[in-house]
Amino acid sequence: TQLLEQSPQFLSIQEGENLTVYCNSSSVFSSLQWYRQEPGEGPVLLVTVVTGGEVKKLKRLTFQFGDARKDSSLHITAAQPGDTGLYLCVYGGTSYGKLTFGQGTILTVHP
Amino acid sequence: DTGVSQDPRHKITKRGQNVTFRCDPISEHNRLYWYRQTLGQGPEFLTYFQNEAQLEKSRLLSDRFSAERPKGSFSTLEIQRTEQGDSAMYLCASSLSGSSYEQYFGPGTRLTVT
Repeated sequence: TQLLEQSPQFLSIQEGENLTVYCNSSSVFSSLQWYRQEPGEGPVLLVTVVTGGEVKKLKRLTFQFGDARKDSSLHITAAQPGDTGLYLCVYGGTSYGKLTFGQGTILTVHP
Repeated sequence: DTGVSQDPRHKITKRGQNVTFRCDPISEHNRLYWYRQTLGQGPEFLTYFQNEAQLEKSRLLSDRFSAERPKGSFSTLEIQRTEQGDSAMYLCASSLSGSSYEQYFGPGTRLTVT
C-alpha cells in the first residue's frame, strides 16, 4: 500500500477549467510537499506545507494541508496548457531527507 | 547552468550488459540522492550520500547496483548484468544538510534494456 494516495490518477481538462488534486494518508505528517514534473525532466518543488490547516498560494495554484496533517490538496484555477505535467505529493520527513512520493496525478490541459 | 546534471540522458542496452550513469550535483550541496521512476509512477528512493559516505540504501538496490561518490562531488550509479525490469528513469537529486527535503533534481537518465 502507498503511504500517500493521490487522486485522481489522470485528469484531462480544457483550458480555463478549475481542478483539484487530492493526497491522502492514514499517517500524520510533520510536513508535505508538492512537486511538478514535466515530461523528460526531473521533479521541481512547488511548495512545502507545515502547519495543519495551512493554505499557500502560488499564482493560480492553491495548496492546503489538512487540519489533522494527514492530507493535502492542490487546486488550480483557470488551468492553462503550461500546467500540463505530473503532480506529485511528497513526504520528506526523515532525518536525512529521503523523499517518499505518491504515485502522482497526470494532468493534461488542452488548449 | 548551476543545476543538477546527469549523463547520459538516454541509454539503450542489451540484457546482461553493464551500464554506468553519472550525476553532477549543485556544487555546494553535500547531500546526493538517487531515485528510480517507472512510467506513470512517482520516483522511488534508491540511495543517499552525505559527502562521500553512502549512508542509506533501499532494499530496491539489489547487489547488481552500486553507487559511489568518491570525492563528495559527482556520483556514479552502475548496474551490472542489466535485466529488462531495470528499464526506468534514474533520477539524481542534491540538497543542503539543513534543508534536505528541498531537493533539486536532474533531468534523469532513461534506461531501456532490450
